Amino acid sequence: DVKVTQSSRYLVKRTGEKVFLECVQDMDHENMFWYRQDPGLGLRLIYFSYDVKMKEKGDIPEGYSVSREKKERFSLILESASTNQTSMYLCASSTRTRQETQYFGPGTRLLVL
Amino acid sequence: SQKIEQNSEALNIQEGKTATLTCNYTNYSPAYLQWYRQDPGRGPVFLLLIRENEKEKRKERLKVTFDTTLKQSLFHITASQPADSATYLCALDPRGTGGFKTIFGAGTRLFVKA
Repeated sequence: DVKVTQSSRYLVKRTGEKVFLECVQDMDHENMFWYRQDPGLGLRLIYFSYDVKMKEKGDIPEGYSVSREKKERFSLILESASTNQTSMYLCASSTRTRQETQYFGPGTRLLVL
Repeated sequence: SQKIEQNSEALNIQEGKTATLTCNYTNYSPAYLQWYRQDPGRGPVFLLLIRENEKEKRKERLKVTFDTTLKQSLFHITASQPADSATYLCALDPRGTGGFKTIFGAGTRLFVKA
């Protein structure tokens, strides 16, 4: 079974703090994604990566950056957290040969005060 | 504008009945469409993928249809059980994005009563 893990299930941070969300997948998937999910809006793509050190902006990259130094790990960074970044953050991965199907982690619920 | 719509109202049905969820999209011509299940506080889990040249796809008690003329997919759960209670998301990839720009609907919450 594919396993995607995220470093925290719940996080509480203060406005202006730098926040790191980590994601690790154990199935040697080439592609990794970060989404945020808000009620009524569905999942929105923040960034994705199709290879080590490669990254592409999604639909809502502002206020976020990412890092992929190893194939299995994809980090999302909030340089200076703001209250409008309070959300559920979901990491996903997929293979290059079957990249339409994504495998998700359990999510990190982030509250920025 | 391009969008993907699912009924935002929760669907309540009795155990044993067939649940039917709808996904409509506009201004896309996807090569395939997917359905995911999401339980509260968890990440989505892939259920089924249907391609544009397939009218219907089945997996156990699940059935998905895809009408590219109506721009609609229907997701059916037959003989529904309380364990089927969850939010169901439909998702598609705009053609040419190679699976990297999946668009997800906001989901429909299903409640199956015993």
